[in-house]
Amino acid sequence: QKEVEQNSGPLSVPEGAIASLNCTYSDRGSQSFFWYRQYSGKSPELIMSIYSNGDKEDGRFTAQLNKASQYVSLLIRDSQPSDSATYLCAVTNAGNNRKLIWGLGTSLAVNP
Amino acid sequence: DAGITQSPRYKITETGRQVTLMCHQTWSHSYMFWYRQDLGHGLRLIYYSAAADITDKGEVPDGYVVSRSKTENFPLTLESATRSQTSVYFCASQDPPEPQHFGDGTRLSIL
Repeated sequence: QKEVEQNSGPLSVPEGAIASLNCTYSDRGSQSFFWYRQYSGKSPELIMSIYSNGDKEDGRFTAQLNKASQYVSLLIRDSQPSDSATYLCAVTNAGNNRKLIWGLGTSLAVNP
Repeated sequence: DAGITQSPRYKITETGRQVTLMCHQTWSHSYMFWYRQDLGHGLRLIYYSAAADITDKGEVPDGYVVSRSKTENFPLTLESATRSQTSVYFCASQDPPEPQHFGDGTRLSIL
């Protein structure tokens, strides 16, 4: 069973701090990795995609991928209360790279 | 830029009834997906489509039917609704290799 694991949280950080969200996956053949943000009652919204080992930065967000260790992480710098949401990690299925395997999400609370 | 729209946003129906959830995208994306999201289970794929007239089962297809006669539409039908199908349903589209993008969802309650 191919799996994506995330700590469910809640992860609580003070405003201005760095929030670190982690995700591990079991399918070594996975090639594409995504972080989605989901506010309560809303649909998932793409934040970051990463395809190769290393770091990818976009504004306050940095995605980190380590295929050898099979983990992908999301760092949020200068966290804001508006970042409070559930963050979903999704990984492609190596057998069909259009299908995503989803984690259950990590709930993040940024406290003013 | 309408993107991807789902209708209705909210639906209440009774067990045994047929209900159809609509999904329409204006991007001409080749791939479309239907998910359901439930507490404790996360997002689960019901069906997906690689192109018009090409559909395939996902993780939880039982009790659902899809069709895709036109690229832009991907309706999901519950032929005889059951209480276990009460959920939030999301449609997504994708233009590979770009990521999937989601509609606003349909909250379905089956009494």
